[in-house]
Amino acid sequence: GESVGLHLPTLSVQEGDNSIINCAYSNSASDYFIWYKQESGKGPQFIIDIRSNMDKRQGQRVTVLLNKTVKHLSLQIAATQPGDSAVYFCAENYSGGSNYKLTFGKGTLLTVNP
Amino acid sequence: EAGVAQSPRYKIIEKRQSVAFWCNPISGHATLYWYQQILGQGPKLLIQFQNNGVVDDSQLPKDRFSAERLKGVDSTLKIQPAKLEDSAVYLCASSSSPINQPQHFGDGTRLSIL
Repeated sequence: GESVGLHLPTLSVQEGDNSIINCAYSNSASDYFIWYKQESGKGPQFIIDIRSNMDKRQGQRVTVLLNKTVKHLSLQIAATQPGDSAVYFCAENYSGGSNYKLTFGKGTLLTVNP
Repeated sequence: EAGVAQSPRYKIIEKRQSVAFWCNPISGHATLYWYQQILGQGPKLLIQFQNNGVVDDSQLPKDRFSAERLKGVDSTLKIQPAKLEDSAVYLCASSSSPINQPQHFGDGTRLSIL
C-alpha cells in the first residue's frame, strides 16, 4: 500500500484566505520531502522541498512544516489565488541503501473560490 | 532552462497493440524516471535510470513493458501488448542527482486503450 497519505482529499477556500494541506507519512527513515502541484493536463510541478534535518522551510507564499515526531507534513499557501487551484501531492524520499525512491500520496484537490 | 520534453501528448490504441513513448530530460540530468499515473492517484514509479543504467525496475511489468536509455540522455518506454488497465498518463521526470534533489516532470503522454 501507499506509505504517504493525505488527510483531506478536497479543500475549498476563498480567494485571499490561507490554505493548509496536510500529509501523513509512514516511513520514519524518509529523509527528504517534496510538495508538487499538478494542474489538469500537466505534469507535477515542484513547489518546495524540505530535508529531515529541518522543521520549516519558506518559499514565495508557501511554507512547508515537517513534524518528524508524528510523521506529518503540511503545506501552507498564503493569500490563496485562483491560480493555486490544482491537485497537491506530497512525496517522501527514502534513501536507504543504494536506492533512493520517491513515493507519492494520492493528492488533495484545492479549489479556490473567487 | 528547457523542461522535460515528452511525446506524443496523447495516444489511442486498441488492446494488444504496441505503443512507445519518448522522453528528453533536462540537459545534464543524469537520473531519469518513468512513472505511471492512473486517474485520481499519485504517480507510481515504473523504472529509474542513472545515466544509461537501470537503478530500479522492480515495479515495471516486464512481461509487457520495456524501457531503454541507450546513450544516457533520451529514453523510450514501450508497451507490447497493451492491456485495458494500461490506460493512464505516463510521466517522465529527471533530476540532477537521485539523492535529495527534486524531480522535474514533463507533461506526460495520456494513453487510452480501447
